[in-house]
Amino acid sequence: DQQVKQNSPSLSVQEGRISILNCDYTNSMFDYFLWYKKYPAEGPTFLISISSIKDKNEDGRFTVFLNKSAKHLSLHIVPSQPGDSAVYFCAASQYNNNDMRFGAGTRLTVKP
Amino acid sequence: ETGVTQSPTHLIKTRGQQVTLRCSSQSGHNTVSWYQQALGQGPQFIFQYYREEENGRGNFPPRFSGLQFPNYSSELNVNALELDDSALYLCASSSPLGGVNTEAFFGQGTRLTVV
Repeated sequence: DQQVKQNSPSLSVQEGRISILNCDYTNSMFDYFLWYKKYPAEGPTFLISISSIKDKNEDGRFTVFLNKSAKHLSLHIVPSQPGDSAVYFCAASQYNNNDMRFGAGTRLTVKP
Repeated sequence: ETGVTQSPTHLIKTRGQQVTLRCSSQSGHNTVSWYQQALGQGPQFIFQYYREEENGRGNFPPRFSGLQFPNYSSELNVNALELDDSALYLCASSSPLGGVNTEAFFGQGTRLTVV
C-alpha cells in the first residue's frame, strides 16, 4: 500500500530556474511531512518539514507547500543550483506514530 | 557532535544465513529507526527503538529483529536471509519532543547483497 507517491521519477531544470517537486498522499491521518535529499552513497539528509497546521514553510531557497484538501505537497527550490542535483524523497507520518512513509523519490538534475 | 554511523558499509551473505547490522545514533538522540530501501524505491520502515524498547514495527516478518543498547546504539538482525532481502539498510536517529516526531537523521546505510 503506497500511501505516499512521487509520480515523477526525474526532473531536469536549468541553473537559476525554479525546481518544483511534487508528492501526493492518500492517508488523511498524516499530519507531519518532510523532504529529504539523497546523494549517491550517502544516507538521506533532512531538508525541510511542515506540519498540517501550516500550508507553507520556508527555509532559504527551499519552500514546502501543503494542500490538505488535495492531499498534495510540493517542494520549491529557487534558484536551483547544480549542487541541488540529487534524489528527493518526500515522507509523511503522524505526530504520535513513528512509522514514516516515504515516496519512491524524484531525481533532480540541475544543468549549469 | 557526531552523526549517525553504520557498519559495515557493504556485505555479501548467502541465502539462509544470518546477518547483524550496527548503528551508532547521533549524540543526544534516544530513538533509532531502521529502514529497508530496495533499488528504485523509497525507504520502508522496519521498526523503531526508543529507550531500548521496540516502539513500533512496519510490515516485516519476525525474522527481522533488533536491539537497542543503553548508549542508544542499535543492531538489526535478519535471520534466514532471502534473495529479496538484498537492499540498502538505513538507520536513522531522532529525539522526539514529548512523543512528537521530529526529523530523523540518517546514516550512510549498509548495502546488503544476498546471493
